[in-house]
Amino acid sequence: EVQLVESGGGLVQPGGSLRLSCEASGFTFSSSWMNWVRQAPGKGLEWVANIKQDGSEKYYVDSVKGRFTISRDNAKNSLYLQMNNLRAEDTAIYYCARDFGEQSGTYDYWGQGTLVTVSS
Amino acid sequence: SYEVTQPPSVSVSPGQTARITCSGDALPRKYAYWYQQKSGQAPVLVIYEDSKRPSGIPERFSGSSSGTMATLTISGAQVEDEADYYCYSTDTSGNYWVFGGGTKVTVL
Repeated sequence: EVQLVESGGGLVQPGGSLRLSCEASGFTFSSSWMNWVRQAPGKGLEWVANIKQDGSEKYYVDSVKGRFTISRDNAKNSLYLQMNNLRAEDTAIYYCARDFGEQSGTYDYWGQGTLVTVSS
Repeated sequence: SYEVTQPPSVSVSPGQTARITCSGDALPRKYAYWYQQKSGQAPVLVIYEDSKRPSGIPERFSGSSSGTMATLTISGAQVEDEADYYCYSTDTSGNYWVFGGGTKVTVL
């Protein structure tokens, strides 16, 4: 059974940092592009970042460039999102999602999400 | 930055057909994907590469694309199809992805 389990969310002050993790099981993690997608309370979905199988390519939405870093550890079947200089507008549920294809939009498995709240 | 646009809401009676459109300048060259999200749940892929249906998705869900517009069609909508639906695609580089604002489908 495929599972994606996010962790690391919580309450953080503006300007603070958090590191999200996504632990994968049930598929060959090292063969998959992986993504982070977020959803602010009551709002729509927003793609945040993705990373190639070997970590050699990474892409980000403009609003997080220079503040967020996506990474992965294939030996640990884990995906990460380091979030620095957090802003109120980063408050959201953060989902990790597996890309079935090669940098396609076919996200066939999603985690349950982890909530990040940026507030003083 | 690239955008794809979809209507905020669509209403349909049970058994009728619901159509949700998605417009974007890159759609003639890039695929559209459609996600369904029910309240409090993670999104679920219902259509990929414009018109392909993942296993387990009912046949009443179909997709098409022509020019700068992609369309998700729910033929014979059921009450359980009430959800938010998101169009998803990429810009011409293929490296930056964007969701539409979402369409709330009401079946009543």
